[in-house]
Amino acid sequence: ETGVTQSPTHLIKTRGQQVTLRCSSQSGHNTVSWYQQALGQGPQFIFQYYREEENGRGNFPPRFSGLQFPNYSSELNVNALELDDSALYLCASSLGETTGTDTQYFGPGTRLTVL
Amino acid sequence: AQSVTQLGSHVSVSEGALVLLRCNYSSSVPPYLFWYVQYPNQGLQLLLKYTSAATLVKGINGFEAEFKKSETSFHLTKPSAHMRDAAEYFCAVSGWNFNKFYFGSGTKLNVKP
Repeated sequence: ETGVTQSPTHLIKTRGQQVTLRCSSQSGHNTVSWYQQALGQGPQFIFQYYREEENGRGNFPPRFSGLQFPNYSSELNVNALELDDSALYLCASSLGETTGTDTQYFGPGTRLTVL
Repeated sequence: AQSVTQLGSHVSVSEGALVLLRCNYSSSVPPYLFWYVQYPNQGLQLLLKYTSAATLVKGINGFEAEFKKSETSFHLTKPSAHMRDAAEYFCAVSGWNFNKFYFGSGTKLNVKP
């Protein structure tokens, strides 16, 4: 049990819609990272927030955005959904500002299906 | 640029046999390397990490990995497989000043009785 929770567990949307996924980090963890894991692939880094500011981003378009709140909760928002956005979305929390050395604690993920 | 390559998307071993999961990395800076395990319907869990200290790293559940700079490898091993080791294993790379994390495509380990 990592203490990182995500909601909802599963979600079905249609192409063009918008979606918000939620994550509750482990208490005291100032960094949250979001990953997209397509079927049969490894997680792909979307972005990272440290104390409510984005401080790292992978190769994802601007329609992927996020928010981090002082209460250790965070959101991943995806606009104009495309079929290829269907994936497992993982959030991970860690203590420090630099993910490179820290241990990340992952939630169980949200399975998004875009029809 | 940083990346990892995991050789073998599926590995099958008998219970009690040696487990060897391969990971090769590419990094423009001294890498930090990680192995994570993902059990069905669970989040990823850290097995072990290399952050430029000892090159042989011991992790949880009897796993260990050796950083070999000359071979750009960080293979994961366990002397004796157990049924509970059946899961998917991911190698990942980052760097000391990096706020990005790069995972490999994963290796599914099957343990036969």
